[in-house]
Parts: sequence; C-alpha cells; structure tokens
Amino acid sequence: KQEVTQIPAALSVPEGENLVLNCSFTDSAIYNLQWFRQDPGKGLTSLLLIQSSQREQTSGRLNASLDKSSGRSTLYIAASQPGDSATYLCAVHRGSTLGRLYFGRGTQLTVWP
Amino acid sequence: DARVTQTPRHKVTEMGQEVTMRCQPILGHNTVFWYRQTMMQGLELLAYFRNRAPLDDSGMPKDRFSAEMPDATLATLKIQPSEPRDSAVYFCASGPGTSNYQETQYFGPGTRLLVL
Repeated sequence: KQEVTQIPAALSVPEGENLVLNCSFTDSAIYNLQWFRQDPGKGLTSLLLIQSSQREQTSGRLNASLDKSSGRSTLYIAASQPGDSATYLCAVHRGSTLGRLYFGRGTQLTVWP
Repeated sequence: DARVTQTPRHKVTEMGQEVTMRCQPILGHNTVFWYRQTMMQGLELLAYFRNRAPLDDSGMPKDRFSAEMPDATLATLKIQPSEPRDSAVYFCASGPGTSNYQETQYFGPGTRLLVL
C-alpha cells in the first residue's frame, strides 16, 4: 500500500521567507505527483502536477521537484506572503486504476506579516 | 467558471438517521470521486466512478454507505444509518477522465457532517 508522509506537519514563518515543504512516498511506481492547497473550510485546489518522467514544475513563486527513485518531492515557495497561509497536501497517482490518488496528511503553513 | 458543487454544505443529524449528500461534477467530466477528511485519518478515498460506473469503492463501509450516479450530472453518497464516527467533511471531486494520467481533480467545497 502506498504511504505518503509530509514533513513538517506545521510551519510558521515571517513574510518574505523562502520555504520548503517535504513529501515522501513508499512506492516509487507512480504516474504523477500533485501538490494541492486547502484553505480553511474549503476544498482542495491543485497547484502543480509533476509527471513521473519530469523532475520539476514551476508556477509563479512555486516550484515542485520530484525524485522518484528516492520517493521524495519538495514544494518550494519563494518570498512567502500571508496569503500563502493554508494547508498544503501532496498526493501520488499510483496509476493501477485511473484516477486514484494517495494523499499525505498535509503541512499547515502560517505566514505572518 | 466551471466548478464542482456539493449540497448541503453543512448537515447536523442524530445517530441512526439517513444522510444523503449530493454532488454535481463539472460538465463534461466523466470521473467522480468521493473523499472523507477527518483530523485522525486525513483524506481518504471512499469511492470513485468513471462514466457513471463504480470503479473502486473499497474504501467505503459497505454496510452503511452507498454511492451512486443516477445520471452524468449527479452523484450521491448515502449513509444509513449514520453514526457519530461518520462525522467528517465529505468532498466530491471530478476529473476529465482522460487516459494519459496528466489530469488533476477538481474538488467541491465539501459537506461538513456532524452526527450527534
């Protein structure tokens, strides 16, 4: 069974800092990995999707990397802002059945002014 | 803009009552997912459908939970009878259902269920 772990569980930083969120997974046979954002009381919003053949994806101040062989992904947030405060979840698509995602527990990020 | 809608947004009920949650996927999407999120377990997949047919409902307690798609614009998740341990946020998500594994899933706002 695919296990997805995210470290740290919570992170509190001042505005402007660059930060890294970590995700690890036990089964390297994945099709893709996604990073989601969840705001309090809301659903999940997809931020970045990295296919298994890719090493990284970038969107604005966000950069996600993937190392399949070591079972790790990182989400890098540059110049953090209070609006980045949310819970960030990573999910891996194992591919055995179309669409199934395995989620980590998330990292709760607080960026204070 | 297109989005997944879920009703009701909040539900408080008593143990033993039937609960029905509804989801309208994004028009044209042919995969629908039901998830449950709790503090203890995180986000768990309960069931998902492709072209209205259930592909995997192994995460769903069969004795009390049932999921259906009466038509392409409506997915339902029922709990009968409900129990306090069912208290959670239930999310519906939909996806285009292409075969290249590049797609993402689009989540609804969730139904927050409290069973007393």
